[in-house]
Amino acid sequence: QVQLVESGGGVVQPERSLRLSCAASGFTFSSYAMHWVRQAPGKGLEWVALISDDGTNKYYADSVTGRFTISRDNSKNTLFLQMSRLRAEDAAVYFCARDMGGSGSTWYHFDYWGQGTLLTVSS
Amino acid sequence: DIQMTQSPSSLSASVGDRVTITCRASQSISRYLNWYQQKPGKVPKLLIYTASNLQGGVPSRFSGSGSGTDFTLTISSLQPEDFATYSCQQSYSIPLTFGQGTKLEIK
Repeated sequence: QVQLVESGGGVVQPERSLRLSCAASGFTFSSYAMHWVRQAPGKGLEWVALISDDGTNKYYADSVTGRFTISRDNSKNTLFLQMSRLRAEDAAVYFCARDMGGSGSTWYHFDYWGQGTLLTVSS
Repeated sequence: DIQMTQSPSSLSASVGDRVTITCRASQSISRYLNWYQQKPGKVPKLLIYTASNLQGGVPSRFSGSGSGTDFTLTISSLQPEDFATYSCQQSYSIPLTFGQGTKLEIK
């Protein structure tokens, strides 16, 4: 069955960096675009970033552009989110999510989600 | 960016009730609208995609409709397990955006 397991969250000081990982299994990872979506405590969902199945195309929310970088290693079935210059407003649970498309197509919605990893930004 | 606005923000209903949640886009998104259910402490679950397509395994009491800027999610007969927060999401253009959520509570 499809599994997405995030890791790498924790407590980090403002302006520092952190990298999140998402280990995928149960499907052909290299055939699917992948997303990061976040949810601040008690708030709604916010899309963060998208990467195409082969990693060549990347898109970001305005709020993270220039600070976050999405990447993937298809040989290791792993998705990454490198976050730098972190701000208090970046504090959230970060979910990796599979795009429902597959086979080279991107549908821009999410059919499987990981359990999330919590990022706290505090001095 | 396309703004998504849900109404109501919260709703109290009883088991067996028919419930409708509305989502409005700030510009036309054709039928590129998706609905998610999220229970407290749990992961969002895709219910409906492209306005009216029921995701596999989702009970048929859930349905979606609409196009352009106005969309609805309907639960025909509320079950105890349906009390949750429902969020819409447009997949028409990047950045992808969500509504603020509708919290469905037990009356």
